[in-house]
Amino acid sequence: AQSVTQLGSHVSVSEGALVLLRCNYSSSVPPYLFWYVQYPNQGLQLLLKYTSAATLVKGINGFEAEFKKSETSFHLTKPSAHMSDAAEYFCAVSYSSASKIIFGSGTRLSIRP
Amino acid sequence: GAGVSQSPSNKVTEKGKDVELRCDPISGHTALYWYRQSLGQGLEFLIYFQGNSAPDKSGLPSDRFSAERTGGSVSTLTIQRTQQEDSAVYLCASSLEGIGYTFGSGTRLTVV
Repeated sequence: AQSVTQLGSHVSVSEGALVLLRCNYSSSVPPYLFWYVQYPNQGLQLLLKYTSAATLVKGINGFEAEFKKSETSFHLTKPSAHMSDAAEYFCAVSYSSASKIIFGSGTRLSIRP
Repeated sequence: GAGVSQSPSNKVTEKGKDVELRCDPISGHTALYWYRQSLGQGLEFLIYFQGNSAPDKSGLPSDRFSAERTGGSVSTLTIQRTQQEDSAVYLCASSLEGIGYTFGSGTRLTVV
């Protein structure tokens, strides 16, 4: 079955430190991959998406993710964390332009002053 | 509209009552999706519409759940005889090309 695994339900980093949120997918075909962010009491906002163009995808708020087919990974990174980055982050995958998106269980990112 | 609109934003209902949740997608978006997010859980897919038809409703948890979409636009998710385990945030999303959704802010349903 198609699935997405996010390693670590909670990640805490210091302000200014590197943010790394891990995501692995199960797939035998090239997928579409997404990262969404959810701030407290808000809906989901698309951070970035991979659709088989460049393997390094740049998103909003300084985030980027790299598609690594050999590792079936799509980890999210940001060089320097900001307090405003504290939120829940969801990795997601779909396998065609007309199918549902399958979400990971989410990673809560906390930023320490 | 400019974004995906969901109503009501909050709904408290008594166990056993029926509820209707509404989603107004972005104008022109042909695909519409319903998800459920329970406390501390990820997003659970419920149903997907392409136009007015639902090619994938595999995520509806029971026959108490149903959804329809009319005019290729507004969708209504109906939960009959609500149970406490139905308490969750119900999220709607729409998409034009099917790659990447725009989500609404959700309806927080509390069954007491």
